Amino acid sequence: AQSVTQPDIHITVSEGASLELRCNYSYGATPYLFWYVQSPGQGLQLLLKYFSGDTLVQGIKGFEAEFKRSQSSFNLRKPSVHWSDAAEYFCAVGAKVNYGGSQGNLIFGKGTKLSVKP
Amino acid sequence: SQTIHQWPATLVQPVGSPLSLECTVEGTSNPNLYWYRQAAGRGLQLLFYSVGIGQISSEVPQNLSASRPQDRQFILSSKKLLLSDSGFYLCAWRSQSNTEAFFGQGTRLTVV
Repeated sequence: AQSVTQPDIHITVSEGASLELRCNYSYGATPYLFWYVQSPGQGLQLLLKYFSGDTLVQGIKGFEAEFKRSQSSFNLRKPSVHWSDAAEYFCAVGAKVNYGGSQGNLIFGKGTKLSVKP
Repeated sequence: SQTIHQWPATLVQPVGSPLSLECTVEGTSNPNLYWYRQAAGRGLQLLFYSVGIGQISSEVPQNLSASRPQDRQFILSSKKLLLSDSGFYLCAWRSQSNTEAFFGQGTRLTVV
């Protein structure tokens, strides 16, 4: 079955500290992987994506993620967290639209809420 | 550039009343369109998707329905709302030329 697991429901870090949010997936085909961020009451904004090539991808706001096929993981990292990074983060997996019959819907994890201490 | 509009942003409706949420996309043609519902602590649940005008697929049985009367318009409806329909509803689109999905700003629905 296709699924995404974000094992941490809530993480609190101090401002300036490093951050790593975990994501593991189960997917039959070669996956497209995504990290989205959501502020309260807002839609989802794409942070970064991986679909091929270099397994370390850079995103917006200083975030990066590393795809590890052997571990089925796509963890999100940031070297120094800012108070404005407090939000909920979602990992998602999907296939290319119309590839192998896929309709392109993304499968999401349940999210990790990040709190930042001053 | 492509944009996605979703409205209303907030809606409070009594139990048993009808519902219509609208989503429109600009700047692209023949997108795949999606309705998700988000409940606290449960991530995003796919409700419906559409690959073309009049083509709707439902992922879960429920009190809701969807329609796509135009290429870039996607509507989520209900004839009679239930308390359990409360939640945050998100519209999204993807195309073959983009790898990611783009989301609207969401609608917070409260059924009272």
